[in-house]
Amino acid sequence: QLQLQESGPGLVKPSETLSLTCSVSGVSISSISYYWGWVRQPPGKGLEWIGSIHYSGTTYYNPSLKSRVSISLDTSKNHFSLKVNSITAADTAVYYCARESLEMATVWYFDLWGRGTLVTVSS
Amino acid sequence: QSVLTQPPSVSGAPGQRVTISCTGSSSNIGAGFDVHWYQQVPGTAPKLLIYGNNNRPSGVPDRFSGSKSGTSASLAITGLQAEDEADYYCHSYDSSLSGSKVFGGGTKLTVL
Repeated sequence: QLQLQESGPGLVKPSETLSLTCSVSGVSISSISYYWGWVRQPPGKGLEWIGSIHYSGTTYYNPSLKSRVSISLDTSKNHFSLKVNSITAADTAVYYCARESLEMATVWYFDLWGRGTLVTVSS
Repeated sequence: QSVLTQPPSVSGAPGQRVTISCTGSSSNIGAGFDVHWYQQVPGTAPKLLIYGNNNRPSGVPDRFSGSKSGTSASLAITGLQAEDEADYYCHSYDSSLSGSKVFGGGTKLTVL
């Protein structure tokens, strides 16, 4: 069954590093047809793209977060991960992982989403 | 403030037609980059609704359609149903932000 599932701590202290993992089932993250991305949504607000990674190792990050974010993938476990350092309260959000496709389009789109995980930044 | 501008809210009665606009600029929609749309029922993950300006994924009713012209795009919903009440987001690419995927601020659709 095609599925993405986020996992990680629900509470992180300010100034620490947030680490999340997205476990993928039903499709290989080694496929050259997809990127794998992270999107977040602060409570009551809209969606914000964080970054994306391809099997080849190519990564793209939101310029506003680039200095604090890294995304990696582990093909042996078929999962990819997000790290955000120097966390502040402004990073409190639901974090979604998603698959990106380019089929019949010229801009990558998010065609499959995880259910999301709420991360709260608080001491 | 989002690079892509959407109205905060729209509403319509069951059976009516509503449209949601997504206004960009010459560095995103106006540059020819595709627009995609997502539907998000409160408390759930976003769901792909329209991709590549006007394509519907399998399972999305043909009551939903997308279009693009100039620096703007639109999502149209005909035969409005109670289950359509949700938040809707447009998404594209902006070349002025060191290459960034951008979302609209979202539009809350209320079915009266």
